[in-house]
Amino acid sequence: DVVVTQSPLSLPVALGQSASISCWSTRSLVATDGSTYVNWSQWRAGQSPRRLIFKVSNRDSGVPDRFSGSGAGTNFTLKISRVEADDVGIYYCMQGTYWPYTFGQGTKLEIK
Amino acid sequence: EVQLVESGGGLVQPGGSLRLSCAASQFRLSDSWMSWVRLAPGKGLEWVASVKQDGSEERYVDSVKGRFTISRDNARNSVYLEMNSLRVEDTAVYYCTTLRIHAPDYWGQGTLVTVSS
Repeated sequence: DVVVTQSPLSLPVALGQSASISCWSTRSLVATDGSTYVNWSQWRAGQSPRRLIFKVSNRDSGVPDRFSGSGAGTNFTLKISRVEADDVGIYYCMQGTYWPYTFGQGTKLEIK
Repeated sequence: EVQLVESGGGLVQPGGSLRLSCAASQFRLSDSWMSWVRLAPGKGLEWVASVKQDGSEERYVDSVKGRFTISRDNARNSVYLEMNSLRVEDTAVYYCTTLRIHAPDYWGQGTLVTVSS
């Protein structure tokens, strides 16, 4: 199975500052169709989880442009600009290129 | 607003069975692969199973193969997870998700399954 690793696991950030989460995999996540199926989800307390980013860098509808995804091959990044209080939660990356789909360990973002 | 509502969780003894259900509103499940994902206490997220739009293809993580069965009833706009031979390590919150562009997009609130004697 593809192992997906995230760093850091804990991320204290001051309001208005930027945050960056790294995600890497044990094999290239480029699929046979040429697409790279890496996505990011946000888990906030008391709410259903929400997908933010799909196929590395595509924002889901309604996701602020403060959230951006990048990367290629085995290394990927989620960047959150101008962090707000509402961004507190856990962020997971996931690979959807190979079955079984696998998740990173999650990064807990908190306000410093 | 799309809503996925899971039900059927509870306390069961090792070796027992449970059937989870997921009902959708404001979304036609027949348009999407559907999945179950679980979050065990103190552990990370684990994708469990997925089923294609017409039910013709199913995928499972190795740890549940032969014990769990995912199914769907598009007429009822529902998805199910039949869980047999349950083990202590199956204890988790189980989430129903749509699966589009190879990624869960809509998620339910989850249902807790506890396997304990």
